[in-house]
Amino acid sequence: AQKVTQAQTEISVVEKEDVTLDCVYETRDTTYYLFWYKQPPSGELVFLIRRNSFDEQNEISGRYSWNFQKSTSSFNFTITASQVVDSAVYFCALSEEYNFNKFYFGSGTKLNVKP
Amino acid sequence: KAGVTQTPRYLIKTRGQQVTLSCSPISGHRSVSWYQQTPGQGLQFLFEYFSETQRNKGNFPGRFSGRQFSNSRSEMNVSTLELGDSALYLCASSLQGDEQFFGPGTRLTVL
Repeated sequence: AQKVTQAQTEISVVEKEDVTLDCVYETRDTTYYLFWYKQPPSGELVFLIRRNSFDEQNEISGRYSWNFQKSTSSFNFTITASQVVDSAVYFCALSEEYNFNKFYFGSGTKLNVKP
Repeated sequence: KAGVTQTPRYLIKTRGQQVTLSCSPISGHRSVSWYQQTPGQGLQFLFEYFSETQRNKGNFPGRFSGRQFSNSRSEMNVSTLELGDSALYLCASSLQGDEQFFGPGTRLTVL
């Protein structure tokens, strides 16, 4: 069965702190895709990153970085030097090779960045 | 390029009524997926349409249905509304094998 777990319901940090959002997934497929989306209060999900199961290379994009480890079935997301504008709910999602657009979402982590 | 648009943005209905929500994908995108977001169940996949055909379906009762038109616009319909259908309904579009882009959602309240 496919499942995505985001154990952190809510995290509060002070601006400029680093913060890591955890994501653990379960799937029996050997080919799968992992995603992170950001949902600001407006409600629209904003795409952040996609990773396929054969690419374990970590990625950095500005203040954002992602750590994909197949050995622990984790795909964690780190924000360096957080800013108030980073406040949002962040979702991790999983899809599989033959159902690429059928996303299994985690329950989300609400990040509060205080000035 | 215009993003995914959903209409209406807000809707209030009463139990037993039916509702139709509309989604216009990004130009050129042929895949449209629908998701339901509730505080209790989170984000759940409803169905996906590609070239006017339902390609995938989530675990929802038959009261939830959808369709896609030749211009890729999609509608979803919920019949015999229940209180538990109150949710944010999100639509997403994508090119084949590419990431999904989401619309702002339709917030449905069932009284």
